[in-house]
Amino acid sequence: GAGVSQSPSNKVTEKGKDVELRCDPISGHTALYWYRQSLGQGLEFLIYFQGNSAPDKSGLPSDRFSAERTGGSVSTLTIQRTQQEDSAVYLCATSKDRDLQNEQFFGPGTRLTVL
Amino acid sequence: AQTVTQSQPEMSVQEAETVTLSCTYDTSENNYYLFWYKQPPSRQMILVIRQEAYKQQNATENRFSVNFQKAAKSFSLKISDSQLGDTAMYFCAFTPSGGYQKVTFGTGTKLQVIP
Repeated sequence: GAGVSQSPSNKVTEKGKDVELRCDPISGHTALYWYRQSLGQGLEFLIYFQGNSAPDKSGLPSDRFSAERTGGSVSTLTIQRTQQEDSAVYLCATSKDRDLQNEQFFGPGTRLTVL
Repeated sequence: AQTVTQSQPEMSVQEAETVTLSCTYDTSENNYYLFWYKQPPSRQMILVIRQEAYKQQNATENRFSVNFQKAAKSFSLKISDSQLGDTAMYFCAFTPSGGYQKVTFGTGTKLQVIP
């Protein structure tokens, strides 16, 4: 596709429910990142995928958060038993490869609201 | 651990004027990359400008330029001839060079261009 796409654009859920957020990267981009952006905060790194290598999960805030990337393309971020503090915009970004001097291309984000 | 500090949560500038956004960072690395990203309201984050630490010459991209002071660990963004379309959140970001490293973002500066 022309750019990174994310779905849904908005998600409202009840506390305790599970949610799944999707990211479709730019074709050919091997590196994929998930970030969380809370109001008034910068971007908080969550997880990084690079090709077939084991992902860097060091930014996941708790074991309720998980992510996978199937076939090196689409990625899903799953939040189990959502809490109100999970409310934020979740951004996906991709880049050509693991070399971080390369530009990251961001998706429009998914705004998650946990009631 | 690296940190990126943007001390100006909000700024405003008159259209056609010049504005400077500040960014400081802390690192023990000698080689690294610095970025400014722009996030317009309800739109995707895009790269504005990139600086490589080993280059002494300040990067420029049309109306955008940086003042990179390596010894002071300062990386400010100057926007000349401000336009209404420059209204956005601006994030400063840092990554060490040399293979995979996480990108660390600042908390952002909200810039309002006033007509």
